[in-house]
Amino acid sequence: AQSVTQPDIHITVSEGASLELRCNYSYGATPYLFWYVQSPGQGLQLLLKYFSGDTLVQGIKGFEAEFKRSQSSFNLRKPSVHWSDAAEYFCAVEPLNTGFQKLVFGTGTRLLVSP
Amino acid sequence: DVKVTQSSRYLVKRTGEKVFLECVQDMDHENMFWYRQDPGLGLRLIYFSYDVKMKEKGDIPEGYSVSREKKERFSLILESASTNQTSMYLCASSPSGGSSSYEQYFGPGTRLTVT
Repeated sequence: AQSVTQPDIHITVSEGASLELRCNYSYGATPYLFWYVQSPGQGLQLLLKYFSGDTLVQGIKGFEAEFKRSQSSFNLRKPSVHWSDAAEYFCAVEPLNTGFQKLVFGTGTRLLVSP
Repeated sequence: DVKVTQSSRYLVKRTGEKVFLECVQDMDHENMFWYRQDPGLGLRLIYFSYDVKMKEKGDIPEGYSVSREKKERFSLILESASTNQTSMYLCASSPSGGSSSYEQYFGPGTRLTVT
């Protein structure tokens, strides 16, 4: 079945340490790929997106993501986490087969940052 | 900046009541979306609209209806609220056409409790 998987429900990272959040998708063709962040009590904000081309994508707030076709993955990374990065992170895909610009979201990964 | 506003941040309603959730965007976007967000389930699409008076069912439309009489406003209606509709409701909008049409801009959400 077509799906977006974020295997980690929670991740705890020490402030200043590196971060990698995992996202895998299961679609026949490579979809458009997105990462969103939701800070407590707020809506979602787009961090970065991948449509085609360079497989390493830079986003806002120092985040980057790498698209790996062979692994059907689009993992989010940050070299040094700040306490303000504590939030919930959602991977999303646009399957490109619906005729509309609909996004399918993963279940989210909650990031906790320890001092 | 794109701004998507939702009429209430918190709402408490009783079972059987008719509930209206309002969403307004100020960027002349063609597409508007309603999601519900539940822990462990991520965001699930309820309904979306790609033009005034046009609507399409999402993945979980049962128990909901929508109205889009003006381009900037998209309303979600719970005809007879039930306790299983207690959730966070997020509205989003996006432009149509080109790669930017896949970027959705989110409101802050309405946390609805049905008792």
